[in-house]
Amino acid sequence: DTGVSQDPRHKITKRGQNVTFRCDPISEHNRLYWYRQTLGQGPEFLTYFQNEAQLEKSRLLSDRFSAERPKGSFSTLEIQRTEQGDSAMYLCASSSWDRANYGYTFGSGTRLTVV
Amino acid sequence: AQTVTQSQPEMSVQEAETVTLSCTYDTSESNYYLFWYKQPPSRQMILVIRQEAYKQQNATENRFSVNFQKAAKSFSLKISDSQLGDTAMYFCAFMMGNNNDMRFGAGTRLTVKP
Repeated sequence: DTGVSQDPRHKITKRGQNVTFRCDPISEHNRLYWYRQTLGQGPEFLTYFQNEAQLEKSRLLSDRFSAERPKGSFSTLEIQRTEQGDSAMYLCASSSWDRANYGYTFGSGTRLTVV
Repeated sequence: AQTVTQSQPEMSVQEAETVTLSCTYDTSESNYYLFWYKQPPSRQMILVIRQEAYKQQNATENRFSVNFQKAAKSFSLKISDSQLGDTAMYFCAFMMGNNNDMRFGAGTRLTVKP
């Protein structure tokens, strides 16, 4: 297993454009988490899935953000009508539901720059 | 809401010396878990050490150990025999016992100097 994979690693987009990120978790992990990390700050929780069900969403996840995990495997995070304030590192993590309290495995993140 | 505070934005230490990073948290829960994660420059976050709140014994992983003071809601990380590869951002994190999500502090940037 190669760990948690995120694609792309970097994305530069113009304000107002839509972007989509992909996360492939560790194959046996049924939980998948999305976090946002701005420069000099810790990761902030956005949302998480157990299998294909989205079980919790943060208030940070505005209407312009949508996340899916249609088959309980990979997940996508879409941001519509991007704004400069969306510039951040978007981190994905995974765990199994019964071992989540042992910590998450993180991907390398997707760095979004909105110009 | 649970909050995690790391009061030291930056720290430095000489190679081979010992450094302690501070973390405090606020919760009314009795069952929870605490973590320290390391994020090297431009690399992914790696779990360093984990502590279960119901265990009084402080967790230890090789050169890394914690000082868990439950009553004071304090969870510091001690790095012994610091190595250049320890240079990274260190994040303290909190998770409630229901395992729903992990909350992070703002981080401490540690630089190990040769």
